[in-house]
Amino acid sequence: DAKTTQPNSMESNEEEPVHLPCNHSTISGTDYIHWYRQLPSQGPEYVIHGLTSNVNNRMASLAIAEDRKSSTLILHRATLRDAAVYYCILNTGNQFYFGTGTSLTVIP
Amino acid sequence: DSGVTQTPKHLITATGQRVTLRCSPRSGDLSVYWYQQSLDQGLQFLIHYYNGEERAKGNILERFSAQQFPDLHSELNLSSLELGDSALYFCASSSGLAFATDTQYFGPGTRLTVL
Repeated sequence: DAKTTQPNSMESNEEEPVHLPCNHSTISGTDYIHWYRQLPSQGPEYVIHGLTSNVNNRMASLAIAEDRKSSTLILHRATLRDAAVYYCILNTGNQFYFGTGTSLTVIP
Repeated sequence: DSGVTQTPKHLITATGQRVTLRCSPRSGDLSVYWYQQSLDQGLQFLIHYYNGEERAKGNILERFSAQQFPDLHSELNLSSLELGDSALYFCASSSGLAFATDTQYFGPGTRLTVL
């Protein structure tokens, strides 16, 4: 069974905010939520991670539901360079479980 | 450029053969991780080494093995290759041992094609 589920694809207009959802209903108390993105023909790139509280960094924000069964990656102003596949990952102990990823298209 | 290098970029081989993929981590990073990305299975964690010692195993087949050398570079050995082993293999590195909180920096990958 998949540990995380994500929509296959999403679209956003340039300079608009984007909310990328992820469900991880089997998460346990010490599991971290990570987001990485993969631009075409490149390796994945770190975006953000969190445990319980919402997190912000220069790239994005991560909003974690109170019951921790879902989270949302927020890109505040999408640019064309944000077009990528975004992976929601559950870190359980010493394991990394990748979701199938959401392919984000940014429309100029 | 993440600072992680992987060689070769592409590898084409036949079923039953053995190949070695090489990874050099970022300067100063002690952890190396290996991942497989295939159309069927998506991205999967294979194995984690820290300062020469194996620390965690994921979905790594028994035909696959890895090691991390004293200079911290790592090699992933794939043997008795099957068609289904065709995939992109990524190496990542991080500075510490904290799987949960360390940022991993991924290399550009090695594309393996088994014919």
